Amino acid sequence: AQSVTQPDIHITVSEGASLELRCNYSYGATPYLFWYVQSPGQGLQLLLKYFSGDTLVQGIKGFEAEFKRSQSSFNLRKPSVHWSDAAEYFCAVGAYNTDKLIFGTGTRLQVFP
Amino acid sequence: DVKVTQSSRYLVKRTGEKVFLECVQDMDHENMFWYRQDPGLGLRLIYFSYDVKMKEKGDIPEGYSVSREKKERFSLILESASTNQTSMYLCASSASGKAQETQYFGPGTRLLVL
Repeated sequence: AQSVTQPDIHITVSEGASLELRCNYSYGATPYLFWYVQSPGQGLQLLLKYFSGDTLVQGIKGFEAEFKRSQSSFNLRKPSVHWSDAAEYFCAVGAYNTDKLIFGTGTRLQVFP
Repeated sequence: DVKVTQSSRYLVKRTGEKVFLECVQDMDHENMFWYRQDPGLGLRLIYFSYDVKMKEKGDIPEGYSVSREKKERFSLILESASTNQTSMYLCASSASGKAQETQYFGPGTRLLVL
């Protein structure tokens, strides 16, 4: 069965620092992978997604993620965090023959000035 | 831009009441989804619909039902609300049933059952 693990419940960084949010998945074949962001009081917004091809994916708001098949990981990165990036981040995995996404439990990012 | 709207941002109901949560999308999407979001549990799929009058159970359908009479509208129904249904409810839609399609989310309805 598919599953997604986000090992970090809560991360705190200083504004301007680099960021990496971890995501590990369990799936037999090449999965479809997504990162969503949820700002306070809002729904989820897609940051980026990976299906195939180049394993480094660029997204909105200066985020990128790298698919590493050998590590079953799809970590989200940003070189310099802004205070407006404070939000909850969800990794999700989809399978080829299903309509459904499986979401991780989320990582809450706090940014200090 | 795709817009997914939900009828209420906040809702307070009594135990045993019948509760309707409405979701409308304006992009002619085939698929619509209802999730609940709880701290430490992420998003869990309650039901989804891939066409008008069609529905499929998600991972936690117990205590819920859905209705999709028109393509743009997907309703979640709590037949008899209970306190353990206090949660954030998120609606989403996607263009087709393929897993690689982006899901677009509404702002959510925070439901409190007393």
